[in-house]
Amino acid sequence: DTAVSQTPKYLVTQMGNDKSIKCEQNLGHDTMYWYKQDSKKFLKIMFSYNNKELIINETVPNRFSPKSPDKAHLNLHINSLELGDSAVYFCASSRTEGGWAEAFFGQGTRLTVV
Amino acid sequence: DQQVKQNSPSLSVQEGRISILNCDYTNSMFDYFLWYKKYPAEGPTFLISISSIKDKNEDGRFTVFLNKSAKHLSLHIVPSQPGDSAVYFCAASESSNTGKLIFGQGTTLQVKP
Repeated sequence: DTAVSQTPKYLVTQMGNDKSIKCEQNLGHDTMYWYKQDSKKFLKIMFSYNNKELIINETVPNRFSPKSPDKAHLNLHINSLELGDSAVYFCASSRTEGGWAEAFFGQGTRLTVV
Repeated sequence: DQQVKQNSPSLSVQEGRISILNCDYTNSMFDYFLWYKKYPAEGPTFLISISSIKDKNEDGRFTVFLNKSAKHLSLHIVPSQPGDSAVYFCAASESSNTGKLIFGQGTTLQVKP
């Protein structure tokens, strides 16, 4: 009954590989996000989807491609992984109709590229 | 250019006392502010929020104060409990339907028994 769940929680992979992180929310929210927390602990938005439509794409290398098959799912595909991609990636969702809304976060995926 | 700043990386308080966490922002278009709490190996958990039409919002032991002229907000926790020990993130948003949050770098709170 987890509100926002993402898998896997830990991911260790070699440089050059392609990997995916999956995210699902059961809150009925209309907007989903990917945030990245880097080694300096800053949380920064990468992408946002509203009703399956991409609405935010924050200067992220095109090796990163989000895919939203439906309102409840937002997956993150990363091609040709680099050492600098190592970080914790958080999925989140919110209801944005009406403006302000708090986002609910998943538990994070710690990606380590070796 | 960091639009949301938490200048204190860490704070240590005694159980039962007040914890005050501070946050400054530079973008005058921000009109919704949130505090999140984060434990290690978990995602941020929403704590409390405030819109720019208010200067105070209270929820149990947690109160957020907003000073728009100073572009400053603070989170007060009274009384502090050991279970409050975590990283606290301040976040800000502009009224829109994107829901984009800009986060500060976090303050680690330690509440000593």
